[in-house]
Amino acid sequence: DAGVTQSPTHLIKTRGQQVTLRCSPKSGHDTVSWYQQALGQGPQFIFQYYEEEERQRGNFPDRFSGHQFPNYSSELNVNALLLGDSALYLCASSLATGDGYTFGSGTRLTVV
Amino acid sequence: GNSVTQMEGPVTLSEEAFLTINCTYTATGYPSLFWYVQYPGEGLQLLLKATKADDKGSNKGFEATYRKETTSFHLEKGSVQVSDSAVYFCALRKSGGSYIPTFGRGTSLIVHP
Repeated sequence: DAGVTQSPTHLIKTRGQQVTLRCSPKSGHDTVSWYQQALGQGPQFIFQYYEEEERQRGNFPDRFSGHQFPNYSSELNVNALLLGDSALYLCASSLATGDGYTFGSGTRLTVV
Repeated sequence: GNSVTQMEGPVTLSEEAFLTINCTYTATGYPSLFWYVQYPGEGLQLLLKATKADDKGSNKGFEATYRKETTSFHLEKGSVQVSDSAVYFCALRKSGGSYIPTFGRGTSLIVHP
């Protein structure tokens, strides 16, 4: 049974560019949450998707947007990249009740 | 709002030493409490949890007790191993609502042979 799968594992982008990160939830999960983890910090909640809609959002600018597809997979898009966007981006899937919260291994984004 | 405070790291121990990582929280109501572990280059894995006061969560020799009177959920292990070297995150999740966990900053544990 595959867990949460994220792609790519690493990528390097230039300031001002746009990036798309992808997440496939654990089988049976219908809710996807995205987190940003800066070096030496805990994960910070970006937003959560359920039934293809953004259900809740953390304190992140509109440059961060997302999408959830009918198969429950999700994308995180970041526009106009800043150096400060360099971080590990984690996806977590769960049931809508929050049960079974499971993290992927993350995508390491470096902005140069 | 909700918040979690963890002790500063790194915590450096010799193999077989006793481990305590302190965690205190601020929240309204009765949150569930969690410890997650993150090994280098990996995502977070749930280590243990407790959902009500005086509950003790345990897994792989680690334990933590939900202390409502002191708003604490300290992580302990009687004898650490080199393989326990990782970053440990304390987290809380409010009952009801959106079920979004709030994480502490993490405490790095380094265990020497």
